[in-house]
Parts: sequence; structure tokens; C-alpha cells
Amino acid sequence: TQLLEQSPQFLSIQEGENLTVYCNSSSVFSSLQWYRQEPGEGPVLLVTVVTGGEVKKLKRLTFQFGDARKDSSLHITAAQPGDTGLYLCAGVAVEYGNKLVFGAGTILRVKS
Amino acid sequence: ETGVTQTPRHLVMGMTNKKSLKCEQHLGHNAMYWYKQSAKKPLELMFVYNFKEQTENNSVPSRFSPECPNSSHLFLHLHTLQPEDSALYLCASSQVAASNQPQHFGDGTRLSIL
Repeated sequence: TQLLEQSPQFLSIQEGENLTVYCNSSSVFSSLQWYRQEPGEGPVLLVTVVTGGEVKKLKRLTFQFGDARKDSSLHITAAQPGDTGLYLCAGVAVEYGNKLVFGAGTILRVKS
Repeated sequence: ETGVTQTPRHLVMGMTNKKSLKCEQHLGHNAMYWYKQSAKKPLELMFVYNFKEQTENNSVPSRFSPECPNSSHLFLHLHTLQPEDSALYLCASSQVAASNQPQHFGDGTRLSIL
């Protein structure tokens, strides 16, 4: 069982479509980060959320932290081929020794 | 210079070889990390260095030996590896070794063990 479950594992959509990916846990996180990793590159931090219910926007990307701080979602509006990549969530929880733990990621492919 | 640079980008080695992975950061950070990334699995933290001192070894087999000569450089010395060690090895840095610190990653070394 993974500490952070990401779903779906793989998503293939057409350019212009909207999508949501999820990051879920049974544990409470003090903070949660989202990274994007493009093919052949390392992960790049997109956002950090720390407050339950918090919503952050980064252009066409909307990040939400659940009220109970056990889950998070990433919504992309009008996806573009440049959004293709592996989306990773990572969180810090007392239950895991306050260390940053990662999910396995969602692979997103946006076709033109 | 990009923030975190890893060399080589690709490495193929036999199980009896000895090789080293190198990581260099130009961000003025004081903490550096080694991660292992395998397909469909979460990133696995291997080692953490804070101000050149190792602060974490996540039960990594002794065939992986890290070295941090200064805050800007990190090495991973490899010897007698196994096929299951084939993976992408990522280096990261942060201002200090605190879990809420954003980490900056290199592009990784793709390691293949024959």
C-alpha cells in the first residue's frame, strides 16, 4: 500500500479537454507539494499547499487541498501538449516521521 | 549553468563494475539528496546530506556509497550492483534539509545494470 495514492495512473486526452488527477491518503498531511516531470527531465515543483481547503491557481492549473488535509486534486483546463508529463504529489505527515513522501504519479499525455 | 546538474545522463554497467554518479548544484543550497525512481513506483529517498553531513540513510544497501565533499557536490559510488538497481537516479537540493523546503531536482542518471 502506497502512502499517497495517485489516480489515475495514466491519462491520455485530446488537446483542449479538461482533466482532474487525484492524490489521496488516509493520513493527515501538514503540507503537500505537486511536481511535474517531463520526459527526460527531473521533477519541477509546481505548488505547495498547507491549509485545509486551500485552492491555488497557476495559469490553467488549479490545485486544491482537501478540508481534512488528507487529499489533493489538480485540475487542468484546456490541456495542451506541453502539459504532457508525470505529475507527482508529495506530502509531509507526522505519521511518516515528517519526511517528504511521494506518490507514484499520474502520467498525462495530451495529444494534438 | 542550470540549477542542478547530474552526470552522466546515461550509464550502462556490468554487475562487477565500479562507477560513480555526480551531482553539482549552483543554487547556494546546503542540503542535497539522492532518490531512486523506478517505473510505476514512488520516488524512494536514499540519502540526505545537510551542510555536508549525512543526516539520513534510508536503509540503502552498502553497494551504494554516497560522498558529499562540500555543499555543492554529491556523489554516489556504485559497486557490485544487481539488475534490480536499474533505475533513474535523481539528485535534488534545497536550502536546508527540512521536509517543507522545496526541492530542486537534476535531470537524473538513467542506470542500466547488465
